Amino acid sequence: DQQVKQNSPSLSVQEGRISILNCDYTNSMFDYFLWYKKYPAEGPTFLISISSIKDKNEDGRFTVFLNKSAKHLSLHIVPSQPGDSAVYFCAASVDTGGYGNKLVFGAGTILRVKS
Amino acid sequence: DTGVSQDPRHKITKRGQNVTFRCDPISEHNRLYWYRQTLGQGPEFLTYFQNEAQLEKSRLLSDRFSAERPKGSFSTLEIQRTEQGDSAMYLCASSSVGGQPQHFGDGTRLSIL
Repeated sequence: DQQVKQNSPSLSVQEGRISILNCDYTNSMFDYFLWYKKYPAEGPTFLISISSIKDKNEDGRFTVFLNKSAKHLSLHIVPSQPGDSAVYFCAASVDTGGYGNKLVFGAGTILRVKS
Repeated sequence: DTGVSQDPRHKITKRGQNVTFRCDPISEHNRLYWYRQTLGQGPEFLTYFQNEAQLEKSRLLSDRFSAERPKGSFSTLEIQRTEQGDSAMYLCASSSVGGQPQHFGDGTRLSIL
């Protein structure tokens, strides 16, 4: 069963505009969420994270929003730059109770930023 | 600060052969994770170590797979009697005792002929 879903396989955005990537999860035990960016032939690179006790976290151009009641999170990139073109993975973990913090990933969204 | 290092980057082998991959985590990280990624999917958890202890294994890790982290530093992942379905990218990640975030290496791509 897919506990973390990224329903948009791809997204195309004009340079300078906002990119919004979405992620849904089903496991209510998840209490920590992360976004990773992946370029071809490289491993995933950590981008930003959010704990379930928060609903928003910002880091520069990147903001992650969490809606626990809807089991939904989103990543906003403003303004989008051509170098942001990559695959973006949403990941979730259970960080309490000795679960070991293993990550459960979505299938990824390919973001293409056009100049 | 060197990141997570994986070796080799690519491995091509014939079906039925054994292969071994190595992962060197970030030096101060005591948690080490192995994931597997196939085309069009996100990474899937295989196993993780805290120091030298292997604390969890996924059901994806059949008895042909074995992982070790003998001195709590580098780790090896061995696949015996490889099968076509083992073709994938094998990713290693490490983290501090807090658990997150996990930092990934660039992976080992395994191709089974």
